[in-house]
Amino acid sequence: SYVLTQPPSVSVAAGKTASITCGGDNIGGKSVHWYQQKAGQAPVVIIYYDSARPAGIPERISGSNSGSTATLTISRVEAGDEADYYCQVWDYSSDLRVFGEGTKLTVL
Amino acid sequence: EVQLVQSGAEVKKPGESLRISCKGSGYSFTNYWIAWVRQMPGKGLEWMGIIFPADSDTKYSPSFQGQVTISADKSTNTTFLQWTRLKPSDNAMFYCARQNLGPHYLWYFDLWGRGTLVTVSS
Repeated sequence: SYVLTQPPSVSVAAGKTASITCGGDNIGGKSVHWYQQKAGQAPVVIIYYDSARPAGIPERISGSNSGSTATLTISRVEAGDEADYYCQVWDYSSDLRVFGEGTKLTVL
Repeated sequence: EVQLVQSGAEVKKPGESLRISCKGSGYSFTNYWIAWVRQMPGKGLEWMGIIFPADSDTKYSPSFQGQVTISADKSTNTTFLQWTRLKPSDNAMFYCARQNLGPHYLWYFDLWGRGTLVTVSS
């Protein structure tokens, strides 16, 4: 089955830029979506179709996808960005929806 | 308001049965697939399966096939996740999530319920 690999944790100082990666076999050929899950809350989509933002998501949150890695970038990180982040794709070969293992973002 | 409302937390004993629910409102319920996602304590999201309420077409993750049953009642805009015999390893938060409309290669989950916490303990 298709596997998405994320770093378990990323730490960044407030005001700096955080990058969270999501690796997978030829992931650049798939559409990648990103979810933010704050402590005690349900996940919320923050990036879909690699780089599109839902209404209400600030422009400092962006996404890219190429080759074997998709990346979620959060610029000018704020304390409120501290959360777990998950990437997700649809695997066409199995018709399964697949989540990455999740990355905990810590704001220093 | 467009929302998915899940049933309340459950405390059960091993071997008991359980059915939890997810009710959609504010949109055309039968037009959207609804997925169930497990999150074990301190762990990540796991896609369990998905159902199309209009005809109850269902797809399971191999990890959950035979372990749970997903069903739907389109007359009440509700989907269900069911266990016949709970195990302590079923302790988890369970979310329902709506899959967006669009071509298959662009599927993602655009609306989530708040989750149902299931505690299985003797």
